[in-house]
Amino acid sequence: AQTVTQSQPEMSVQEAETVTLSCTYDTSENNYYLFWYKQPPSRQMILVIRQEAYKQQNATENRFSVNFQKAAKSFSLKISDSQLGDTAMYFCAFMKWGSNYKLTFGKGTLLTVNP
Amino acid sequence: ETGVTQTPRHLVMGMTNKKSLKCEQHLGHNAMYWYKQSAKKPLELMFVYSLEERVENNSVPSRFSPECPNSSHLFLHLHTLQPEDSALYLCASSQEQFQETQYFGPGTRLLVL
Repeated sequence: AQTVTQSQPEMSVQEAETVTLSCTYDTSENNYYLFWYKQPPSRQMILVIRQEAYKQQNATENRFSVNFQKAAKSFSLKISDSQLGDTAMYFCAFMKWGSNYKLTFGKGTLLTVNP
Repeated sequence: ETGVTQTPRHLVMGMTNKKSLKCEQHLGHNAMYWYKQSAKKPLELMFVYSLEERVENNSVPSRFSPECPNSSHLFLHLHTLQPEDSALYLCASSQEQFQETQYFGPGTRLLVL
């Protein structure tokens, strides 16, 4: 079975600064997907970024980028130029390729961006 | 906001009540999901429907009964729930089998008294 660990229950960062959220996972699979989802307070969970395990290049989406270390089974999220709207719970998730949709989530990291 | 809506947004029910949660997706997807989100626990997948057929039932108690009448609608029928069933229930959808990106609704906050 796959597990996803987010070791930082809470983090805070000053507006305009950079913050990195950590995620590690445990799997024996070689083909899989990794995701970061964001859940703002009282709002819908939305996909931030995703990474295919077969791709060596780290995914980026505007101010969001990942550091994917396949051998170390690490998938951290870097948020640059943090904005107040980035305040949210961030969930790391794993999906085995061909797993019939099964997403395995971590417990989440609550990020607060301070003005 | 994404194209997945859920009603009601908040629900309080007694243990003897019967209620239903509704999810509707406007994205043309053909797979839909129910998740349970409890405090300080990872999201738990409950049910998966693909093309209106249930493809996953993640050891969920029978007091939760899903229904998928068509690819746009998903229901979760609740009866004789327990206080520990209080949680945020999230619906999600995705396009086609093995599609990796799931789009979530806002959730229904359920309190069982």
